[in-house]
Amino acid sequence: SQTIHQWPATLVQPVGSPLSLECTVEGTSNPNLYWYRQAAGRGLQLLFYSVGIGQISSEVPQNLSASRPQDRQFILSSKKLLLSDSGFYLCAWSFSLLGYEQYFGPGTRLTVT
Amino acid sequence: KQEVTQIPAALSVPEGENLVLNCSFTDSAIYNLQWFRQDPGKGLTSLLLIQSSQREQTSGRLNASLDKSSGRSTLYIAASQPGDSATYLCAVLGSGAGSYQLTFGKGTKLSVIP
Repeated sequence: SQTIHQWPATLVQPVGSPLSLECTVEGTSNPNLYWYRQAAGRGLQLLFYSVGIGQISSEVPQNLSASRPQDRQFILSSKKLLLSDSGFYLCAWSFSLLGYEQYFGPGTRLTVT
Repeated sequence: KQEVTQIPAALSVPEGENLVLNCSFTDSAIYNLQWFRQDPGKGLTSLLLIQSSQREQTSGRLNASLDKSSGRSTLYIAASQPGDSATYLCAVLGSGAGSYQLTFGKGTKLSVIP
């Protein structure tokens, strides 16, 4: 069976500091990978998706970037955090872009102070 | 632009009651619709996936229906239990431009009172 991991679970960072969140998937090959953000009082918003190593698409202009250095590893980064980057970050995977379920990880709670 | 609305935003019911959660979407060009459950501070758990060609899906005490033409879905929970307390999210995968993107509603927060 497939498993998705995210770390850290929680993170408190000052404004202007860098960020690195990691997501890994086990039990499958060549998954499609996604980063979402859930801000207080708002729905989940897709930030990035990837269909393969080194292939990243961005959905919204922002202070964040994503990378996929390995088939089952997806990293969300920032060089300088903003207060507005606070939120709950969720990684997800699916077998295919279209028609298949997306499965979500446990999430990372980021608070920027 | 696809918009997903969930009504009500919050619902409180006594244990044992049957209940219905509603989801509506503005663009009927979808591949599928997914219902999720989210416990406080946790990730999302997929409950049911309905493909656009399907009318309903069932899993245990859960039944989800889809009326694509009218842009509506319902999640029916039978014989509710306190353990069903959570936020339920509806999401649609569009088949138009940006079809890779799940568009989520803001959820219905369900409380089942023992």
